[in-house]
Order: sequence, then C-alpha cells, then structure tokens
Amino acid sequence: NAGVTQTPKFQVLKTGQSMTLQCAQDMNHEYMSWYRQDPGMGLRLIHYSVGAGITDQGEVPNGYNVSRSTTEDFPLRLLSAAPSQTSVYFCASSYSQGINQPQHFGDGTRLSIL
Amino acid sequence: RKEVEQDPGPFNVPEGATVAFNCTYSNSASQSFFWYRQDCRKEPKLLMSVYSSGNEDGRFTAQLNRASQYISLLIRDSKLSDSATYLCVVTQASGNTPLVFGKGTRLSVIA
Repeated sequence: NAGVTQTPKFQVLKTGQSMTLQCAQDMNHEYMSWYRQDPGMGLRLIHYSVGAGITDQGEVPNGYNVSRSTTEDFPLRLLSAAPSQTSVYFCASSYSQGINQPQHFGDGTRLSIL
Repeated sequence: RKEVEQDPGPFNVPEGATVAFNCTYSNSASQSFFWYRQDCRKEPKLLMSVYSSGNEDGRFTAQLNRASQYISLLIRDSKLSDSATYLCVVTQASGNTPLVFGKGTRLSVIA
C-alpha cells in the first residue's frame, strides 16, 4: 500500500493562477481532509469529506474548492492563488472520525505564491 | 479559550533525561485523544493514542485527566532521535466531526 499520496511535492505559482493539489489513498478510507500548516499556526483544517460525494468546510475554506467523486481521490483546488495561500498543505485520511481512528498524512505539498 | 492548547517550548533537554508535556482541551465532550510527532519539514505521524487508564509504549507514557481536561506525554531516557515537535490531537463526541490539533511542543534533545 502506498498510503496517502500527494502531488506535486513543490509548486510555485503566480498570484491569480489556479491549480489543483492531488491527494489519493489506497486504504479504502472513508474520511479525507486537507490541512494547511503555517509557522506558529499549527495545522488548520481547510475542507473535509466523510465519504464519496460528501464534502464540508473546515476552519479556513475561503479560496479553496474540493470534490470527492471517488473514495480514493480528494483534490484541492486553488481558484485564484494569493500570496496568503503560501503554505505547506497536508492531505490525510482515516476510516472514520469516530473513536480511536487517527489520521494518516501524506508527505505534503509545499506551495509558494509569488 | 482555544480548543487545544500546548506550551510551544522549545524544551531543551540532555540525552537520558525525562521530559513531560501537557496539553489542555476545552470541550468536555471530547472522546479520543492522540499524540502525534512531526519532524522538521515532514508530515505528522501518529505516536500513540491516549486511553482513559493511561498507556505506555516503550519509553513513552500517555495519561488522560478528564476532570481537569488535559492529557500528558512523558518521555523517559530521551534520545537524540526524539527531537521533534509533538502535537496533541483531540476528537469531538460525535463520529463525523474533524480532529482538532494543538500547535505543538518542540523538543530538542542535546548530546
């Protein structure tokens, strides 16, 4: 099993460009989520999904879109990149949000917006 | 009060020392608790779950105090390889609500 796979690992964008961060998991996990991590801010939840076809907003959803057409994939779209979106992005998955179900993280995408 | 609070550190300790971190949480309905470890420029990885009766995994011991709403992590006989940021993570009562992460406590173990 590859676990949680994120692509790309690094990306530099210009302000106003759009792009999609890819996330795929091969563990048949229902729950997937996207976080951003900034210095001094910790992990902040952007969007999450409890199963195919279901998504919901997290703490910092503005400027991002998600969709969940399959159990395996959960892409994150930046609609019009802004310098404030420079961050490290982590995708994670788990069987559920219930008791004793921790999350498995991908190794992150480092995104710089110029 | 923030949902999950941790002392950011850094905690600088010599090899072989015992070090403990606390984490407080604000939601008394929280059900599950975890400690994650995050190395510099890497993804967070699950270190251990925290059970009501306390649990141990080698040199690591986790405790939960529901009355005072805090969890703790004790590391005995610190190794250089323990240097990392330790994240406290809490889940809510219902099944489909997101995890809440603390900002982490940084540990440096010095030779």
